[in-house]
Amino acid sequence: GPKVLQIPSHQIIDMGQMVTLNCDPVSNHLYFYWYKQILGQQMEFLVNFYNGKVMEKSKLFKDQFSVERPDGSYFTLKIQPTALEDSAVYFCASSLTISNERLFFGHGTKLSVL
Amino acid sequence: SQLAEENSWALSVHEGESVTVNCSYKTSITALQWYRQKSGKGPAQLILIRSNEREKRNGRLRATLDTSSQSSSLSITATRCEDTAVYFCATQNTNTGKLTFGDGTVLTVKP
Repeated sequence: GPKVLQIPSHQIIDMGQMVTLNCDPVSNHLYFYWYKQILGQQMEFLVNFYNGKVMEKSKLFKDQFSVERPDGSYFTLKIQPTALEDSAVYFCASSLTISNERLFFGHGTKLSVL
Repeated sequence: SQLAEENSWALSVHEGESVTVNCSYKTSITALQWYRQKSGKGPAQLILIRSNEREKRNGRLRATLDTSSQSSSLSITATRCEDTAVYFCATQNTNTGKLTFGDGTVLTVKP
């Protein structure tokens, strides 16, 4: 079935550094999402993105966060600078439409900020 | 506040038994989705049940929806060890696509 790929699967960085998480969404999908998960349970919405613009973002999407998808390449989440509380698993998802639509999720990138 | 939440944090059953996960939601919906997340993986959709449907089946899975009580259930029959996962219900904002997950129910199926 359709797959969302996330690269890398694990990233370890020092606090204050910049990190970019990469997502290769399903090829014909138009809507893209980032979620944050801590302790393997609560899936918390960060942001979604369509046609080059942020559609909605949560209060977790701090000023240090940014997303983009230049020229149909990877959909990226950049955190600059990182903080200890940014340690979590970040999931990318994509969907074809937004109304009662299934989201396809990647396997996540585990971010460890030291 | 949660727009959707499961009613049990954790459930444990033995293989072959049936189990039901319950969910309540607080917003007006046109559909409710159930997702399953296995260890080390992202969530995968199991069932989408629309507001005009009372019940939806997918193999061993059966979802119900009661819009008057704003509740849903997901039942799994003849459970297998591979059903061990976290089960989430989720509601979607149909204007932005934002999917809001409940806290999740950890299901353990023992041999």
